Amino acid sequence: AQKITQTQPGMFVQEKEAVTLDCTYDTSDQSYGLFWYKQPSSGEMIFLIYQGSYDEQNATEGRYSLNFQKARKSANLVISASQLGDSAMYFCAMRGPLTGNQFYFGTGTSLTVIP
Amino acid sequence: DTGVSQDPRHKITKRGQNVTFRCDPISEHNRLYWYRQTLGQGPEFLTYFQNEAQLEKSRLLSDRFSAERPKGSFSTLEIQRTEQGDSAMYLCASSLPGTNYEQYFGPGTRLTVT
Repeated sequence: AQKITQTQPGMFVQEKEAVTLDCTYDTSDQSYGLFWYKQPSSGEMIFLIYQGSYDEQNATEGRYSLNFQKARKSANLVISASQLGDSAMYFCAMRGPLTGNQFYFGTGTSLTVIP
Repeated sequence: DTGVSQDPRHKITKRGQNVTFRCDPISEHNRLYWYRQTLGQGPEFLTYFQNEAQLEKSRLLSDRFSAERPKGSFSTLEIQRTEQGDSAMYLCASSLPGTNYEQYFGPGTRLTVT
């Protein structure tokens, strides 16, 4: 069963603007973790941000913030002040609920920053 | 900290041949993961090691796939009797104990089966 859904195959944003990348997840567990990764054209996956299911505050890391809405089971990534170097694939992932050792990734969103 | 390294970066093989990939995780990272990523898809979990113990294995992983981490450091992933459907990027990642499990990925090994 699909556990992570990213419905935006491609997104465009003007340089210096903010952009939101959507992610919804499916789990019946109470304890889980949500992650966002960036994959530039070079191919290497880069960890961006983490949100635990019990964290009351939305996670922030520099220009990245995670809009966590537990009841809606959504974990959207917000990138503020977009830069040309932000152009990449972005993947939402969830640490598996049972053992915590399996990770499920979405199909990704391709972000293009326009100068 | 030299990051996660993988070898080789590219491998072209003929159908039916065996291939082996190596992953060197970040030192002190006791958790190691293997993923497969095909074009237009996110990484698909294959297997997980904690130290030398293989604790998780995806049900999608056929018997032709085997992974080892004999001394709890580097890991190898072997694919026997390769098929064209095995063509993909194989990613390795590691993470620290006592963290939120955020993973650090290697550059991947791109396998092409002809």
